[in-house]
Amino acid sequence: KNQVEQSPQSLIILEGKNCTLQCNYTVSPFSNLRWYKQDTGRGPVSLTIMTFSENTKSNGRYTATLDADTKQSSLHITASQLSDSASYICVVSDRGSTLGRLYFGRGTQLTVWP
Amino acid sequence: EADIYQTPRYLVIGTGKKITLECSQTMGHDKMYWYQQDPGMELHLIHYSYGVNSTEKGDLSSESTVSRIRTEHFPLTLESARPSHTSQYLCASSVAPGQGTTNEKLFFGSGTQLSVL
Repeated sequence: KNQVEQSPQSLIILEGKNCTLQCNYTVSPFSNLRWYKQDTGRGPVSLTIMTFSENTKSNGRYTATLDADTKQSSLHITASQLSDSASYICVVSDRGSTLGRLYFGRGTQLTVWP
Repeated sequence: EADIYQTPRYLVIGTGKKITLECSQTMGHDKMYWYQQDPGMELHLIHYSYGVNSTEKGDLSSESTVSRIRTEHFPLTLESARPSHTSQYLCASSVAPGQGTTNEKLFFGSGTQLSVL
């Protein structure tokens, strides 16, 4: 069964600290992996998209890594800010389908305290 | 910032009412989607469209219907709302991937939070 599992479910950190969010997937075949940020009451916003051949991609203070062999990804946030408080969603896309189907994780709820 | 808009942002209605959730995008994207999301849960695809006059049901069974008469407009309709329809509904759009790439980028609207009493 194609699944995307994220951990931890929730995380609280102090402003200025770093943190790492995890994503494990069993989706096969694999096309790409995306990380989204979703603020409360808003739609998700894309942070990074990585294909099979990419093992790291950065977007400002966000750095995503991908290990396609172990089917794991992480999102590292550096020097956290209050505005980083949000849900971070891992999304995996398969290939071979005309739909490019997306499999969504349930997200990690990050809270940054001052 | 994506130019995709959903209205209303919040809607509280009684059981049995007919409702239409609006979604419009000004980016000329061919592909549009409707997702349903409950708190702390993953997004579930309920409808999608690859272009004008093209609509398909998604993975999650839904009693809603959609139409795609214009490229920019993808409304979702519930003929008779029930409390089980209470959820957040997210509309998204993307450009159909070109040859040799599947990395379509999804742009989401801000969502409609629907509560059916």
